[in-house]
Amino acid sequence: GAGVSQSPRYKVAKRGQDVALRCDPISGHVSLFWYQQALGQGPEFLTYFQNEAQLDKSGLPSDRFFAERPEGSVSTLKIQRTQQEDSAVYLCASALDRGLHYEQYFGPGTRLTVT
Amino acid sequence: DQQVKQNSPSLSVQEGRISILNCDYTNSMFDYFLWYKKYPAEGPTFLISISSIKDKNEDGRFTVFLNKSAKHRSLHIVPSQPGDSAVYFCAARISNFGNEKLTFGTGTRLTIIP
Repeated sequence: GAGVSQSPRYKVAKRGQDVALRCDPISGHVSLFWYQQALGQGPEFLTYFQNEAQLDKSGLPSDRFFAERPEGSVSTLKIQRTQQEDSAVYLCASALDRGLHYEQYFGPGTRLTVT
Repeated sequence: DQQVKQNSPSLSVQEGRISILNCDYTNSMFDYFLWYKKYPAEGPTFLISISSIKDKNEDGRFTVFLNKSAKHRSLHIVPSQPGDSAVYFCAARISNFGNEKLTFGTGTRLTIIP
């Protein structure tokens, strides 16, 4: 079956540009997560949705980062006025529901390079 | 402040031998621990987990041990196979309802030598 898909897979942006990264979760998955993985580091939590509700955005590094999931399925992570420190792989994950026993399935990520 | 630490960036093990990957954590609120495996250009995939009420969990060739007093856990792979070559991330979470995020370590690159 289809897993989590993300697009684009690679994005190069000039400093100051806005970017939008898309995540298509596994069909029927209620929970959706965004993580940021800098080079040589582990994934770091950005934000979490339960259906269309953004329940935790404690990991968003600045107000330039904005995420939405308006219909409770596809999600978009938007970064405004990109900076070089935003260069990273952005991972999306989905889970069937909330709670310990629901595994998070990760997509392949979008590699963002800000020049 | 790194709450989940993997102090070995890389590890090489002969095929057929045991691979031991280590992970420490500092946040005593963590009570559920996971291991993920990552191949290049793919997202991490779940491998095995353990709750803080246990000290060992086995799944085939993979065993995870938890030492709560030392805030340490390890993943054992026996016997190691070439397909096990990947980056392994340990992760942890706090199981209270509403706290869904995972906190990851920096990863250990495991290379299995044929």
